[in-house]
Amino acid sequence: GAGVSQSPRYKVTKRGQDVALRCDPISGHVSLYWYRQALGQGPEFLTYFNYEAQQDKSGLPNDRFSAERPEGSISTLTIQRTEQRDSAMYRCASSPRDGGTDTDTQYFGPGTRLTVL
Amino acid sequence: DQQVKQNSPSLSVQEGRISILNCDYTNSMFDYFLWYKKYPAEGPTFLISISSIKDKNEDGRFTVFLNKSAKHLSLHIVPSQPGDSAVYFCAATVSNTGNQFYFGTGTSLTVIP
Repeated sequence: GAGVSQSPRYKVTKRGQDVALRCDPISGHVSLYWYRQALGQGPEFLTYFNYEAQQDKSGLPNDRFSAERPEGSISTLTIQRTEQRDSAMYRCASSPRDGGTDTDTQYFGPGTRLTVL
Repeated sequence: DQQVKQNSPSLSVQEGRISILNCDYTNSMFDYFLWYKKYPAEGPTFLISISSIKDKNEDGRFTVFLNKSAKHLSLHIVPSQPGDSAVYFCAATVSNTGNQFYFGTGTSLTVIP
């Protein structure tokens, strides 16, 4: 079946604008994760959901970042009043089981490359 | 604070030889470890994992070794093939606590034909 998809693949925005990044997980996957990856670094955890419930948002850098998954499927990561330091690859991953009780592989999407000018 | 470290940013190996990629971690609570492989313009794809109750896990040409006392794991690829050329990320997590993965910075492997 289809893997994790993300849109847009590339986003260029001006400083101060809001952006919304979308993640469509693998169908039926319970958990959904957002990561941010800077150039030359590994993915860094931002937040995760089990179904529609946001279980952990400890990795969100500040209150300009928020995420939702209202129906337990598609998720949106929103960055308000973007700053140049927000420029990075934003990756979404999904996992078939509840991350709070079952450790399992995460399947990553291709990412959204965000550039803030 | 980098809890998972891959100290070799790059590695070149001749086709047919063994590739050994190393990873160190600092958090003794980590009990589940994974290796991901990433090609350009794609997301990381799962390769192999190991639980801390084991010290070795093998899947075809790929073997992961875990040394808990040294907080070290390694990925062995034997024999290496040109298609293995990619960036390899080591990841670690604490089981059943949300599955947050901590990633290393990656090692770029080049297999020379």
